[in-house]
Amino acid sequence: SAVISQKPSRDICQRGTSLTIQCQVDSQVTMMFWYRQQPGQSLTLIATANQGSEATYESGFVIDKFPISRPNLTFSTLTVSNMSPEDSSIYLCSVGGRDQPQHFGDGTRLSIL
Amino acid sequence: SQQGEEDPQALSIQEGENATMNCSYKTSINNLQWYRQNSGRGLVHLILIRSNEREKHSGRLRVTLDTSKKSSSLLITASRAADTASYFCATAALAGGTSYGKLTFGQGTILTVHP
Repeated sequence: SAVISQKPSRDICQRGTSLTIQCQVDSQVTMMFWYRQQPGQSLTLIATANQGSEATYESGFVIDKFPISRPNLTFSTLTVSNMSPEDSSIYLCSVGGRDQPQHFGDGTRLSIL
Repeated sequence: SQQGEEDPQALSIQEGENATMNCSYKTSINNLQWYRQNSGRGLVHLILIRSNEREKHSGRLRVTLDTSKKSSSLLITASRAADTASYFCATAALAGGTSYGKLTFGQGTILTVHP
């Protein structure tokens, strides 16, 4: 299975600032996904990151707040913009095909003061 | 809204006992996957069961799928303290367009196994 590295593992940020989270995969993958897990909650899909095209966002998530880059088949970034305390969550990237197990990075634990 | 509902929300058992967690979902699926999460870390993939399968085993894990009832269960036999974690089911929608590969997660079950 793919090995996924996510950076940073955690951060504490001031409100109004932005943070970019990196996701590196050890093999080329077509689909990468970004999820948010709010405290004590389950995972919610933010967007699907496709190489060479715009990310596809789920209802309730917008590009201005969560811009995503996917410059190649092994790397993606998620930026959390203009952060507020409500953005305090764990952010996870994952990779997987339609009928394949999806594998996750260790996540980025983000706290906003 | 989340597709899956899991019960129980929390389960507390003694080492050696079996643990059963249930998951229900609302729409037709391509497959259903179970994950474990330790202390807010990343998710570990446990088992994938396809919509045309009824049961799968992996070590001490047994997963069943009933597509007519839109439900699945995860059984952990002879539990250990190290099994203490949150367990999530996740469904992959049928093929097509923007649903490709996307997972919808249930609310999860917190399992505590006491030594």
